[in-house]
Amino acid sequence: GENVEQHPSTLSVQEGDSAVIKCTYSDSASNYFPWYKQELGKRPQLIIDIRSNVGEKKDQRIAVTLNKTAKHFSLHITETQPEDSAVYFCAASTRFNNNDMRFGAGTRLTVKP
Amino acid sequence: KAGVTQTPRYLIKTRGQQVTLSCSPISGHRSVSWYQQTPGQGLQFLFEYFSETQRNKGNFPGRFSGRQFSNSRSEMNVSTLELGDSALYLCASSSEYNEQFFGPGTRLTVL
Repeated sequence: GENVEQHPSTLSVQEGDSAVIKCTYSDSASNYFPWYKQELGKRPQLIIDIRSNVGEKKDQRIAVTLNKTAKHFSLHITETQPEDSAVYFCAASTRFNNNDMRFGAGTRLTVKP
Repeated sequence: KAGVTQTPRYLIKTRGQQVTLSCSPISGHRSVSWYQQTPGQGLQFLFEYFSETQRNKGNFPGRFSGRQFSNSRSEMNVSTLELGDSALYLCASSSEYNEQFFGPGTRLTVL
């Protein structure tokens, strides 16, 4: 089955700096890669996703890149703000329209004002 | 559209008991997945139901089971509860495009 590894487990940045979180996956059949943000005491919220037919996707300060050859994908947050502080999870799914989602262990991002 | 709802939100049980958790997906979503979230293990996939059939299953013992009804609502059951089953149980409903939306979770405490 799919195995997703996520690094780093904790990340601390100064407000305004960029943050990068990286994930690798094992199953080359994986074709859907979402990222979730979970604030303390709240549910995970989908913030961005990418499918295997594209290499990069942007949404304002957030971007995700995918390298299918190397089987890794990354989340980039620019101009970080204190409200970006949360735990971020990456995930991979091996089949379109068939949810066998596997999650990374999470990255606790702290943005210092 | 209303979001994913889960009941109950909090539950306290003792070892050996059983528990049933409920999840109502977003209207129109036919897939419901269940996850166990603990501080040490992150988000662990339990199983996924689609059109009343279990389509995918994670690596959990048979004490963990589930079902889905014709209206896509889903329940999961844990029998013979153990202390280690204390966790936040999240369900997520999915559109046909894989996007999963999570419910608020049920926090289960086993004493």
